[in-house]
Amino acid sequence: AIRMTQSPSSLSASIGDRVTITCRASQGFNNYLAWYQQKPGEAPRLLIYGASTLQSGVPSRFSGSGSGTDFTLTISSLQSEDFATYYCQQYYNYPLSFGGGTRVEIK
Amino acid sequence: EVQLVESGGGLIQPGGSLRLSCAASGFTFSSFAMSWVRQASGKGLEWVSGISGSGRSTYYADSVKGRFTISRDNSKGTLYLQINSLRAEDTAVYFCVPVSGRGEYFPHWGQGTLVTVFS
Repeated sequence: AIRMTQSPSSLSASIGDRVTITCRASQGFNNYLAWYQQKPGEAPRLLIYGASTLQSGVPSRFSGSGSGTDFTLTISSLQSEDFATYYCQQYYNYPLSFGGGTRVEIK
Repeated sequence: EVQLVESGGGLIQPGGSLRLSCAASGFTFSSFAMSWVRQASGKGLEWVSGISGSGRSTYYADSVKGRFTISRDNSKGTLYLQINSLRAEDTAVYFCVPVSGRGEYFPHWGQGTLVTVFS
C-alpha cells in the first residue's frame, strides 16, 4: 500500500502569504494525485487532480505540481476563506490513500 | 446535480453489525465506481472501500478487510457498506463518494452518516 505523508501537519500564515504544502509518497507514480480542502463541519472539496489540474470553480491562486514521490500544493496569496485543512490523495492504485492533512491557521 | 444521501449510521456496541446505505442521483450510477471514505472526529480522511461500476470488483483497506463488505444495486442507484465485528476505532463519519470518470478521485461528497461504537 502507498503511504502518503504530508508536511507540515499545521502552519500559521497571514492573509496575502504564499503557502506551500508538501505531500510525499512511499513509492513513485506519475500524476495520480488529488488535493482537497476541508473546513470544519463540512465535507471535503476537490481542488486539484492529476497533480496540477484545477477543478472547475477553484480559484486560480491554488496550484499543484510534482510527480514521482514529491508533490506540492501552493496557495499564491492566502485569503480568509482558505483557512482550512488540506489533504492529498493518491489514486495510482488500490488501496487508495490520503495524507494525514495540513491545517492552515491564521497567524 | 449530483446528490448523495448516506443513511444507516447510529449507536452500536462493539462486535455489532450495521449496514450503511447511500442513495445516489444526478448521474448515471452504474457507469461510475464508488467508494466509502471515513473520518473520525478531529482526525484525517481514511479511504475504506471501493467498488467498480458493475459491482464485479471490490477493494478494501487493510484495516477493514474481512469485516466490511461493499455492494451496490444499480437498479436502485444505491451503494451499501455492511460493517461487521465493529470496533471502537470504526467510530467515524462515513462518506459515500463517486469516483471521477477520469480517475479514482472524488469530485462529489455527501454529508456523511455517523457511526458510533460504544461499550
